[in-house]
Amino acid sequence: SAVISQKPSRDICQRGTSLTIQCQVDSQVTMMFWYRQQPGQSLTLIATANQGSEATYESGFVIDKFPISRPNLTFSTLTVSNMSPEDSSIYLCSVPGQGGNEQFFGPGTRLTVL
Amino acid sequence: QKEVEQNSGPLSVPEGAIASLNCTYSDRGSQSFFWYRQYSGKSPELIMSIYSNGDKEDGRFTAQLNKASQYVSLLIRDSQPSDSATYLCAVNLGDSWGKLQFGAGTQVVVTP
Repeated sequence: SAVISQKPSRDICQRGTSLTIQCQVDSQVTMMFWYRQQPGQSLTLIATANQGSEATYESGFVIDKFPISRPNLTFSTLTVSNMSPEDSSIYLCSVPGQGGNEQFFGPGTRLTVL
Repeated sequence: QKEVEQNSGPLSVPEGAIASLNCTYSDRGSQSFFWYRQYSGKSPELIMSIYSNGDKEDGRFTAQLNKASQYVSLLIRDSQPSDSATYLCAVNLGDSWGKLQFGAGTQVVVTP
């Protein structure tokens, strides 16, 4: 499986600010995915990041709040904008395996908003 | 609303015993099913995938799938303290390649 890294691993931010999370993969992948895991909860898909096109957002998530970039086939960023304490979560990027549907996750970014 | 349901636990299992985890899903179009293990403070790790009805074994893990009943399970044989973790059931959304919907997870505690 691919080696996935994320930066930062954790951060503490003030309300109203924005944070950009980076996801780097050691191989080229067509699609990358961003998930959120709120405290004590399971994973929820935020959006699919496609290289060369706009990200596709799931219900309840909007581009103004979570803008995504996908400049090439090995890299993506997720920005959490105008943060509130409710945005405190672990944010994870994932890439598909060779089978296609299985997902492999990065180490995650633990975000705390004060 | 498509759903994936799991018992939250905790499931307490004596060391050496079999842990049995269950998952039901609502999307009849789903074709791919996964079990992830998540240690506290870590990201989910894929441990099993299953695509066809029946059993699939990998080491101490056995996944069972019954599409007619919309049911997938995971058995952990000879449970070890290192198996203590939260186990997440994930199902692909039938109409979308690569997108997974996760259950809430079952916490497993293996007691020595």
